[in-house]
Amino acid sequence: EDKVVQSPLSLVVHEGDTVTLNCSYEVTNFRSLLWYKQEKKAPTFLFMLTSSGIEKKSGRLSSILDKKELFSILNITATQTGDSAVYLCAVEEPSGTYKYIFGTGTRLKVLA
Amino acid sequence: GAGVSQSPSNKVTEKGKDVELRCDPISGHTALYWYRQSLGQGLEFLIYFQGNSAPDKSGLPSDRFSAERTGGSVSTLTIQRTQQEDSAVYLCASTLRGRYNEQFFGPGTRLTVL
Repeated sequence: EDKVVQSPLSLVVHEGDTVTLNCSYEVTNFRSLLWYKQEKKAPTFLFMLTSSGIEKKSGRLSSILDKKELFSILNITATQTGDSAVYLCAVEEPSGTYKYIFGTGTRLKVLA
Repeated sequence: GAGVSQSPSNKVTEKGKDVELRCDPISGHTALYWYRQSLGQGLEFLIYFQGNSAPDKSGLPSDRFSAERTGGSVSTLTIQRTQQEDSAVYLCASTLRGRYNEQFFGPGTRLTVL
């Protein structure tokens, strides 16, 4: 059965720390992996990754995919209290179904 | 509107009652998804609409759940004879055709079944 596993489940850090969030997957015929930030209810799109080893970057956030080892990491440097959220990873199911399998998320809390 | 809207934002109902949840996608977005998020869990796919094609209902957990999309725009998710395990946040997302990865989510409806 296809699945997406995120770790850690939760994380508490102080402002200025750097964090690394992990997403591993077991999906047949992988197509793409997505990262979302969920602060209250509505997740907001961060990155889409399709190729191994190519870093996507947006400000203090960056992400990279390893298709050989079947995982992705999301890095946040110089964390701020506004980074506190649940970070969700999703992998597209194969065969052009346009359906996504979501992990349970990592809850990040950044303390001032 | 500028984004995806959902109504109601909160719904409390009694076990056994039917509920209807509404989603207004972004104008021009042809694809629409419904997800369910139970407390502390990830998003669980329910159903997907693309244009005039038959919807992909493979994620609906039981025949008490149904959804329709009228005129290729507004969608309604109906849960009949609600059960306590139906309590969750129901999220709707829409995307442009061909850009299914960039899903724009609504604020969700928090459903509580007593």
